[in-house]
Amino acid sequence: QSALTQPASVSGSPGQSITIPCTGTRSDVGGYTYVSWYQQHPGKAPKLMIYEVSNRPSGVSNRFSGSKSGNTASLTISGLQAEDEADYYCASYTTSSTWVFGGGTKLTVL
Amino acid sequence: QITLKESGPTLVKPTQTLTLTCTFSGFSLSTSGVGVGWIRQPPGKALEWLALIYWTDDKRFSPSLKSRLTITKDTSKNQVVLTMTNMDPVDTATYFCAHIFNSDAFDMWGQGTRVTVSS
Repeated sequence: QSALTQPASVSGSPGQSITIPCTGTRSDVGGYTYVSWYQQHPGKAPKLMIYEVSNRPSGVSNRFSGSKSGNTASLTISGLQAEDEADYYCASYTTSSTWVFGGGTKLTVL
Repeated sequence: QITLKESGPTLVKPTQTLTLTCTFSGFSLSTSGVGVGWIRQPPGKALEWLALIYWTDDKRFSPSLKSRLTITKDTSKNQVVLTMTNMDPVDTATYFCAHIFNSDAFDMWGQGTRVTVSS
């Protein structure tokens, strides 16, 4: 299985909105609602931000939202804040009953 | 609350076998729907899913690493053990274990353990 495709980097100014796409295939992103997003600050463990495409765990800001269209899932962060600067990874369940992660996107808050 | 912690050697030699233990609390691996997965991250690189074991003892492995991986659980000790054979310098990474419920997402992660493969 190949890693899901994410842009290497995105950037935005405080207060703006950004969207990070995550492209897979019918065998993963396109075939399941088990798509999740993780935030990782340097030297830290990943933190779950979105599960099942668009659900937020308790405690995650409603500035974070997720969606999916076909084989591409997206994470949108609105009202960018300095603390949002981090690496973001998508992940998906697959038809092989395995998991696959994306290549990661570095978010820079300008 | 759920916590997980990885433990194991920080340095292994090429061709050796790596054994990592994930010790957890706040949940039981005998509860329906529960699983524990392993994910690694080479320095400066992306996350890579390795393996997962469910409460039923069903096991799943990354297709590219399947021949080198073993995963077991000890429900009484609240531990999951991952072994990876024939270690190579490219396997140098931080190894994380994580909790999953009903296959929807890895909702809680350990702090990770750094493993270096070098002679």
